[in-house]
Amino acid sequence: QVQLQESGPGLVKPSQTLSLTCTVSGGSISSGSYYWSWIRQPAGKGLEWIGRIYTSGSTNYNPSLKSRVTISVDTSKNQFSLKLSSVTAADTAVYYCARESMRKGAAAFDYWGQGTLVTVSS
Amino acid sequence: QSVLTQPPSVSAAPGQKVTISCSGSSSNIGNNYVSWYQQLPGTAPKLLIYDNNKRPSGIPDRFSGSKSGTSATLGITGLQTGDEADYYCGTWDSSLSAGNVVFGGGTKLTVL
Repeated sequence: QVQLQESGPGLVKPSQTLSLTCTVSGGSISSGSYYWSWIRQPAGKGLEWIGRIYTSGSTNYNPSLKSRVTISVDTSKNQFSLKLSSVTAADTAVYYCARESMRKGAAAFDYWGQGTLVTVSS
Repeated sequence: QSVLTQPPSVSAAPGQKVTISCSGSSSNIGNNYVSWYQQLPGTAPKLLIYDNNKRPSGIPDRFSGSKSGTSATLGITGLQTGDEADYYCGTWDSSLSAGNVVFGGGTKLTVL
Protein backbone atom coordinates (compact mmCIF):
# COMPACT_ATOMS: atom_id res chain seq x y z
CA GLN A 1 0.00 0.00 0.00
CA VAL A 2 1.47 3.30 -1.11
CA GLN A 3 1.70 5.94 1.58
CA LEU A 4 2.74 9.58 1.36
CA GLN A 5 3.84 11.73 4.29
CA GLU A 6 4.48 15.47 4.27
CA SER A 7 7.07 17.01 6.56
CA GLY A 8 8.44 20.48 7.17
CA PRO A 9 8.05 23.61 9.29
CA GLY A 10 4.54 24.49 10.35
CA LEU A 11 5.35 28.19 10.69
CA VAL A 12 7.06 30.37 8.11
CA LYS A 13 7.70 34.11 8.31
CA PRO A 14 6.40 36.45 5.61
CA SER A 15 8.78 36.95 2.66
CA GLN A 16 10.64 33.73 3.49
CA THR A 17 10.60 30.41 1.63
CA LEU A 18 8.24 27.57 2.52
CA SER A 19 9.91 24.17 2.21
CA LEU A 20 8.13 20.82 2.43
CA THR A 21 9.13 17.25 1.69
CA CYS A 22 6.93 14.30 0.80
CA THR A 23 8.24 10.83 1.61
CA VAL A 24 6.76 7.97 -0.38
CA SER A 25 6.63 4.46 1.09
CA GLY A 26 5.19 1.19 -0.13
CA GLY A 27 6.29 1.83 -3.69
CA SER A 28 9.07 3.39 -5.73
CA ILE A 29 8.78 7.00 -6.80
CA SER A 30 10.77 5.90 -9.85
CA SER A 31 8.14 3.43 -11.03
CA GLY A 32 7.61 5.61 -14.06
CA SER A 33 3.85 5.42 -14.17
CA TYR A 34 2.95 8.42 -12.06
CA TYR A 35 3.38 12.12 -11.55
CA TRP A 36 3.99 13.47 -8.05
CA SER A 37 2.06 16.59 -7.13
CA TRP A 38 1.53 19.23 -4.48
CA ILE A 39 -1.94 20.58 -3.72
CA ARG A 40 -2.98 23.06 -1.06
CA GLN A 41 -6.18 24.07 0.70
CA PRO A 42 -6.66 27.24 2.75
CA ALA A 43 -8.89 26.80 5.76
CA GLY A 44 -12.54 26.57 4.74
CA LYS A 45 -11.70 26.86 1.03
CA GLY A 46 -11.24 24.63 -1.96
CA LEU A 47 -8.31 22.74 -3.46
CA GLU A 48 -5.57 24.46 -5.44
CA TRP A 49 -3.07 22.47 -7.50
CA ILE A 50 0.45 23.80 -7.09
CA GLY A 51 2.43 21.65 -9.49
CA ARG A 52 3.83 18.23 -10.37
CA ILE A 53 7.09 16.47 -11.10
CA TYR A 54 8.02 13.34 -12.97
CA THR A 55 10.95 11.20 -11.93
CA SER A 56 12.91 12.49 -14.91
CA GLY A 57 12.77 15.89 -13.23
CA SER A 58 10.33 17.48 -15.67
CA THR A 59 7.83 19.78 -13.98
CA ASN A 60 4.56 21.61 -14.53
CA TYR A 61 3.42 24.46 -12.32
CA ASN A 62 0.19 26.33 -11.72
CA PRO A 63 0.57 29.53 -13.78
CA SER A 64 -0.61 31.62 -10.83
CA LEU A 65 2.26 30.35 -8.65
CA LYS A 66 4.89 29.52 -11.26
CA SER A 67 7.20 32.43 -10.48
CA ARG A 68 7.53 31.34 -6.84
CA VAL A 69 7.41 27.52 -6.99
CA THR A 70 10.11 24.90 -7.35
CA ILE A 71 9.40 21.17 -7.13
CA SER A 72 12.28 18.72 -7.05
CA VAL A 73 12.71 14.95 -6.65
CA ASP A 74 15.27 12.78 -4.86
CA THR A 75 14.77 9.25 -6.12
CA SER A 76 17.49 7.87 -3.82
CA LYS A 77 15.39 8.88 -0.82
CA ASN A 78 12.00 8.23 -2.50
CA GLN A 79 11.07 11.84 -1.81
CA PHE A 80 9.93 14.93 -3.65
CA SER A 81 9.93 18.46 -2.34
CA LEU A 82 8.22 21.82 -2.64
CA LYS A 83 9.72 25.27 -2.26
CA LEU A 84 7.49 28.34 -2.36
CA SER A 85 9.30 31.65 -2.11
CA SER A 86 8.25 35.11 -0.92
CA VAL A 87 5.33 33.77 1.08
CA THR A 88 2.53 35.91 2.46
CA ALA A 89 -0.43 35.22 4.71
CA ALA A 90 -2.34 34.16 1.60
CA ASP A 91 -0.08 31.10 1.41
CA THR A 92 -1.35 29.81 4.77
CA ALA A 93 -2.97 26.47 4.01
CA VAL A 94 -2.92 22.73 4.48
CA TYR A 95 -0.43 21.38 1.97
CA TYR A 96 -0.95 17.90 0.52
CA CYS A 97 1.33 15.76 -1.57
CA ALA A 98 -0.38 13.30 -3.90
CA ARG A 99 0.28 10.70 -6.58
CA GLU A 100 -1.27 11.47 -9.95
CA SER A 101 -2.06 9.03 -12.71
CA MET A 102 0.26 9.64 -15.63
CA ARG A 103 -2.53 9.91 -18.16
CA LYS A 104 -2.98 13.07 -20.17
CA GLY A 105 -6.04 14.99 -19.08
CA ALA A 106 -6.89 12.69 -16.21
CA ALA A 107 -6.22 14.69 -13.01
CA ALA A 108 -6.66 11.45 -11.04
CA PHE A 109 -4.93 11.72 -7.68
CA ASP A 110 -5.22 8.25 -6.15
CA TYR A 111 -3.00 8.52 -3.09
CA TRP A 112 -2.69 11.54 -0.80
CA GLY A 113 -0.66 12.43 2.22
CA GLN A 114 -2.50 13.39 5.38
CA GLY A 115 -1.67 17.04 4.84
CA THR A 116 0.39 19.49 6.83
CA LEU A 117 -0.70 22.92 7.99
CA VAL A 118 1.68 25.71 7.14
CA THR A 119 1.01 29.09 8.70
CA VAL A 120 2.67 32.24 7.42
CA SER A 121 3.05 34.68 10.26
CA SER A 122 5.69 36.81 11.92
CA GLN B 1 -13.37 32.17 -8.25
CA SER B 2 -12.85 28.57 -9.38
CA VAL B 3 -12.47 27.62 -13.03
CA LEU B 4 -14.98 24.80 -12.54
CA THR B 5 -18.39 25.71 -11.11
CA GLN B 6 -20.11 23.56 -8.49
CA PRO B 7 -23.14 24.33 -6.32
CA PRO B 8 -21.99 25.34 -2.82
CA SER B 9 -24.31 22.87 -1.14
CA VAL B 10 -26.80 20.08 -1.73
CA SER B 11 -28.91 18.07 0.68
CA ALA B 12 -31.11 15.01 0.72
CA ALA B 13 -32.55 12.50 3.13
CA PRO B 14 -30.94 9.16 4.00
CA GLY B 15 -31.64 6.56 1.36
CA GLN B 16 -32.34 9.14 -1.31
CA LYS B 17 -30.31 10.09 -4.37
CA VAL B 18 -28.40 13.30 -4.96
CA THR B 19 -26.48 14.73 -7.90
CA ILE B 20 -23.68 17.29 -7.89
CA SER B 21 -22.89 19.23 -11.04
CA CYS B 22 -19.56 20.55 -12.28
CA SER B 23 -19.57 23.05 -15.11
CA GLY B 24 -16.56 24.08 -17.16
CA SER B 25 -15.55 24.92 -20.71
CA SER B 26 -13.93 23.47 -23.80
CA SER B 27 -10.48 24.23 -22.38
CA ASN B 28 -11.04 21.92 -19.43
CA ILE B 29 -13.96 19.48 -19.07
CA GLY B 30 -14.82 19.60 -22.77
CA ASN B 31 -11.51 18.05 -23.82
CA ASN B 32 -10.30 16.17 -20.75
CA TYR B 33 -11.36 13.59 -18.19
CA VAL B 34 -13.12 14.50 -14.95
CA SER B 35 -12.31 13.14 -11.51
CA TRP B 36 -14.34 13.47 -8.34
CA TYR B 37 -13.09 13.59 -4.75
CA GLN B 38 -14.75 13.14 -1.37
CA GLN B 39 -13.29 15.04 1.57
CA LEU B 40 -14.58 14.06 4.99
CA PRO B 41 -14.06 16.66 7.74
CA GLY B 42 -10.45 16.93 8.79
CA THR B 43 -9.15 14.41 6.26
CA ALA B 44 -7.41 14.40 2.91
CA PRO B 45 -9.49 14.15 -0.27
CA LYS B 46 -10.26 10.65 -1.54
CA LEU B 47 -10.59 9.69 -5.20
CA LEU B 48 -14.17 8.59 -5.93
CA ILE B 49 -14.40 8.73 -9.72
CA TYR B 50 -11.78 9.03 -12.46
CA ASP B 51 -11.94 9.11 -16.25
CA ASN B 52 -15.45 10.59 -16.00
CA ASN B 53 -17.16 7.44 -14.79
CA LYS B 54 -14.73 4.85 -13.42
CA ARG B 55 -14.54 3.87 -9.75
CA PRO B 56 -11.27 2.94 -8.03
CA SER B 57 -11.20 -0.38 -6.24
CA GLY B 58 -13.15 -0.19 -2.98
CA ILE B 59 -15.50 2.61 -4.00
CA PRO B 60 -19.10 1.35 -3.82
CA ASP B 61 -21.32 1.47 -6.90
CA ARG B 62 -23.58 3.94 -5.09
CA PHE B 63 -21.20 6.53 -6.51
CA SER B 64 -21.34 7.21 -10.25
CA GLY B 65 -20.02 9.81 -12.65
CA SER B 66 -20.98 11.09 -16.06
CA LYS B 67 -19.86 13.78 -18.48
CA SER B 68 -21.64 15.57 -21.30
CA GLY B 69 -19.98 18.32 -23.27
CA THR B 70 -18.48 20.82 -20.84
CA SER B 71 -20.29 19.56 -17.74
CA ALA B 72 -19.97 16.58 -15.44
CA THR B 73 -22.16 15.10 -12.76
CA LEU B 74 -21.53 13.02 -9.65
CA GLY B 75 -24.41 10.85 -8.49
CA ILE B 76 -24.81 9.26 -5.09
CA THR B 77 -27.63 6.81 -4.39
CA GLY B 78 -28.74 5.25 -1.13
CA LEU B 79 -27.45 8.21 0.85
CA GLN B 80 -25.90 7.48 4.22
CA THR B 81 -24.99 9.84 7.04
CA GLY B 82 -21.38 8.87 6.42
CA ASP B 83 -21.60 10.48 2.98
CA GLU B 84 -21.73 13.94 4.55
CA ALA B 85 -18.62 15.57 3.15
CA ASP B 86 -17.28 18.09 0.68
CA TYR B 87 -17.10 16.91 -2.91
CA TYR B 88 -14.74 18.32 -5.55
CA CYS B 89 -14.46 17.84 -9.30
CA GLY B 90 -11.12 18.18 -11.04
CA THR B 91 -9.66 18.07 -14.53
CA TRP B 92 -6.88 19.47 -16.70
CA ASP B 93 -7.15 22.94 -18.19
CA SER B 94 -5.21 24.17 -21.21
CA SER B 95 -6.25 27.83 -21.29
CA LEU B 96 -3.06 29.13 -19.64
CA SER B 97 -0.67 26.20 -19.89
CA ALA B 98 -0.71 22.56 -20.84
CA GLY B 99 -1.32 20.11 -18.02
CA ASN B 100 -2.63 22.68 -15.54
CA VAL B 101 -4.99 21.02 -13.03
CA VAL B 102 -8.12 22.86 -11.91
CA PHE B 103 -10.72 22.00 -9.29
CA GLY B 104 -14.26 23.08 -8.62
CA GLY B 105 -15.00 25.17 -5.55
CA GLY B 106 -16.48 22.18 -3.78
CA THR B 107 -20.00 21.13 -2.78
CA LYS B 108 -21.00 20.42 0.79
CA LEU B 109 -23.37 17.46 1.00
CA THR B 110 -25.75 17.37 3.96
CA VAL B 111 -27.67 14.18 4.65
CA LEU B 112 -30.74 15.36 6.52
